[in-house]
Amino acid sequence: SAVISQKPSRDICQRGTSLTIQCQVDSQVTMMFWYRQQPGQSLTLIATANQGSEATYESGFVIDKFPISRPNLTFSTLTVSNMSPEDSSIYLCSVEASGGGTQYFGPGTRLTVL
Amino acid sequence: QKEVEQNSGPLSVPEGAIASLNCTYSDRGSQSFFWYRQYSGKSPELIMFIYSNGDKEDGRFTAQLNKASQYVSLLIRDSQPSDSATYLCAVNILKTSGTYKYIFGTGTRLKVLA
Repeated sequence: SAVISQKPSRDICQRGTSLTIQCQVDSQVTMMFWYRQQPGQSLTLIATANQGSEATYESGFVIDKFPISRPNLTFSTLTVSNMSPEDSSIYLCSVEASGGGTQYFGPGTRLTVL
Repeated sequence: QKEVEQNSGPLSVPEGAIASLNCTYSDRGSQSFFWYRQYSGKSPELIMFIYSNGDKEDGRFTAQLNKASQYVSLLIRDSQPSDSATYLCAVNILKTSGTYKYIFGTGTRLKVLA
């Protein structure tokens, strides 16, 4: 399985500011995903990020709020823009294993918005 | 009806017993099914995946799939206190765009009592 790192691991931010989360993989992967896990809840897919194309967002998530970059096959960023306390959550990136189907998750970024 | 349903628990079993975790899904076209374990404060880690009807065994874990009943389960034999965690069921569904995405259940919290 791929080794995935995320930065920062946690942050406390003020309302109205933005935070960019980085996801780095130790091998080249085609599909990368960004999820949100709110306290006590399961995982919700925000968007799928493929290298060389625009990210595909799920219903309820928009590019202006969660812009994503995917400059190469090992790296992606998710920005949480104009944050409010409702954005307090754990944000996870994942990658799809070669051959398709199975996903592996990074350690997550715990975001608290005051 | 939720796309992937799990009993939230907690499911309490004594050490050494068999823990049985269940998951139902609504999309008959789903092809791939996954079980993840998530310890508190950690990201999900893959335990098993199953594609075909029947049983798949890996050590103390057995995944069971019944596509006709739209039901997938995870059995944990000889349960240990270290198995205490939330178990997430994920189903790969086909989107209208022709790509796949994971849908997660809300998870079942398992407590193994020493």
